[in-house]
Amino acid sequence: GESVGLHLPTLSVQEGDNSIINCAYSNSASDYFIWYKQESGKGPQFIIDIRSNMDKRQGQRVTVLLNKTVKHLSLQIAATQPGDSAVYFCAEKISSGSARQLTFGSGTQLTVLP
Amino acid sequence: EPEVTQTPSHQVTQMGQEVILRCVPISNHLYFYWYRQILGQKVEFLVSFYNNEISEKSEIFDDQFSVERPDGSNFTLKIRSTKLEDSAMYFCASSVRGNYGYTFGSGTRLTVV
Repeated sequence: GESVGLHLPTLSVQEGDNSIINCAYSNSASDYFIWYKQESGKGPQFIIDIRSNMDKRQGQRVTVLLNKTVKHLSLQIAATQPGDSAVYFCAEKISSGSARQLTFGSGTQLTVLP
Repeated sequence: EPEVTQTPSHQVTQMGQEVILRCVPISNHLYFYWYRQILGQKVEFLVSFYNNEISEKSEIFDDQFSVERPDGSNFTLKIRSTKLEDSAMYFCASSVRGNYGYTFGSGTRLTVV
């Protein structure tokens, strides 16, 4: 079935470098995407979202890029800090009148090295 | 910043027992959700709730599960007869509308022994 998936299960970066976390989705009916950060023992924490009518959105130190042609989503973190170490999930919502559920990807473990 | 609050943070129960997980969504939110995450796996959707009724549910959400909004602030998930495979983190979430702004709680770790 169609699902959201991540290219890399783990990513290690040096402190201060930029991080790029990728996500592939296969449901062309998805119209809304969210990146979440999950620290150990905690719930998913909203980072940034993007609607399908956009291809880029920027937040504080984070940028999400959406390429609908290849169904690809990425999260860029600028000047990665130790506090950014966590699992990052992308999630999608399908465009449908009553659909509200989010479908999550498998997650990428980001480790920031000193 | 408004938070979704879940209690308890950890619950241990014997197989076959009933458990109720509690959530206080953000006060002006209208849509409520339960998700679960088995250790090391994806976060999975269970159910969404709007206007005092279930609007969507997944295959996981079988007859053993039920949800309720008993008053104006609480949102509960009940598992009638727990199984070992129900052991997971259960996350409550809420959104002001159904199509954006989902906020998750910190979760309840349910351990069925």
